[in-house]
Amino acid sequence: QKEVEQDPGPLSVPEGAIVSLNCTYSNSAFQYFMWYRQYSRKGPELLMYTYSSGNKEDGRFTAQVDKSSKYISLFIRDSQPSDSATYLCAMSPYGGATNKLIFGTGTLLAVQP
Amino acid sequence: SQTIHQWPATLVQPVGSPLSLECTVEGTSNPNLYWYRQAAGRGLQLLFYSVGIGQISSEVPQNLSASRPQDRQFILSSKKLLLSDSGFYLCAWSSPGGRGDTQYFGPGTRLTVL
Repeated sequence: QKEVEQDPGPLSVPEGAIVSLNCTYSNSAFQYFMWYRQYSRKGPELLMYTYSSGNKEDGRFTAQVDKSSKYISLFIRDSQPSDSATYLCAMSPYGGATNKLIFGTGTLLAVQP
Repeated sequence: SQTIHQWPATLVQPVGSPLSLECTVEGTSNPNLYWYRQAAGRGLQLLFYSVGIGQISSEVPQNLSASRPQDRQFILSSKKLLLSDSGFYLCAWSSPGGRGDTQYFGPGTRLTVL
């Protein structure tokens, strides 16, 4: 079993839809959770960062962490064609320079105009 | 603000040839530096990380090596490339003494080994 599981998609939605992207994980020691957005042939860009459980909102993006279920989500409201990209979840058990991020394989999202 | 550069952007190399990929960071001192490889459908694989000049930790045994000759320069090398070395190579940095989990990525180098 992989430490982090993420549906690869592709996920196709119409413009303006609410998008839900999810990851599950098996290591209960994970405390730091991140979402990255990666456009085709570009490096990943950090979107959201969350520590432990709870919600975090930034504009049209909301990140949720449910540690009891080992499940994290990224919601995108009023989705735009410019949101079309691959979304990677990442997580780690602790901070620090030698910390290793564990990444999901990414979900490809296409927002249709 | 901090910026991270990688070059070349794309590279096509024959099997058995050497490799040198370079990464530099601007706008910060003594960053933590990372090399990742991204293969289709397999996510990001951490290859090396460095917390200072000359300090390299290897995560995956392979025919690649890394060096950090200067504070903000990180180099990925190979003496003889394999077909399996093809992929998208990403360099990342994080703040010194901060949370290593907040990593920022460069634009990447797409390597094709023929």
